[in-house]
Amino acid sequence: QSVLTQPPSVSAAPGQKVTISCSGSSSSIGNNYVSWYQQLPGTAPKLLIYDNDKRPSGIPDRFSGSKSGTSATLGITGLQTGDEADYYCGTWDSSLSVGVFGGGTKLAVL
Amino acid sequence: EVHLVQSGAEVKKPGESLRLSCMTSGFSFTSYWVGWVRQMPGKGLEWMGIIYPGDSDIQYNPSFQGQVTISADKSISIAYVQWSSLKASDSAMYYCVRQSGRKLVPDYWGQGTLVTVSS
Repeated sequence: QSVLTQPPSVSAAPGQKVTISCSGSSSSIGNNYVSWYQQLPGTAPKLLIYDNDKRPSGIPDRFSGSKSGTSATLGITGLQTGDEADYYCGTWDSSLSVGVFGGGTKLAVL
Repeated sequence: EVHLVQSGAEVKKPGESLRLSCMTSGFSFTSYWVGWVRQMPGKGLEWMGIIYPGDSDIQYNPSFQGQVTISADKSISIAYVQWSSLKASDSAMYYCVRQSGRKLVPDYWGQGTLVTVSS
């Protein structure tokens, strides 16, 4: 069981918007930065969002991140079939002194 | 440009030893944390631990402490993870990662190394 909780799957139509939630605790999300990763089938995870809401160079502004209290959210607008992937949230857990990830959310663009 | 290039896939028998390597470039190896993340087949990501090659400080996930050894050779900018006695349950994809700080999570990822342990 993961320290961070994500929905197992979400779906939306091409062009639409989707949000993926990530719930933690005061020792994880509540007091640390959150990152989001995209893992396309058969590939390594790639950083999408860091420090809660910042995008690395090259990541389109269709991807956004936010954090409130002990939860974080990834938003994706203008969905494309190429966005079909597993998405993971991650943060540091100050009580466990380890990096922790959510269980992952599979996005289907129908 | 940051690169983390991992060694190739491995097929091993239970009880055998193994060392995976991660060749890094494009950043100051001694100024960042480098570590490993496990992904078992069809499962999520598990943070195993990190090393700061500048002073060899290591932070293990308690779930992996004693099961693996993380090390680094700063003269050649390569990080390692090794097992002394593999189990079938060690079969997984292992990713080398870079972290910008100890209490952060990865920003760059290697391509992954698939380890299969089977008799």
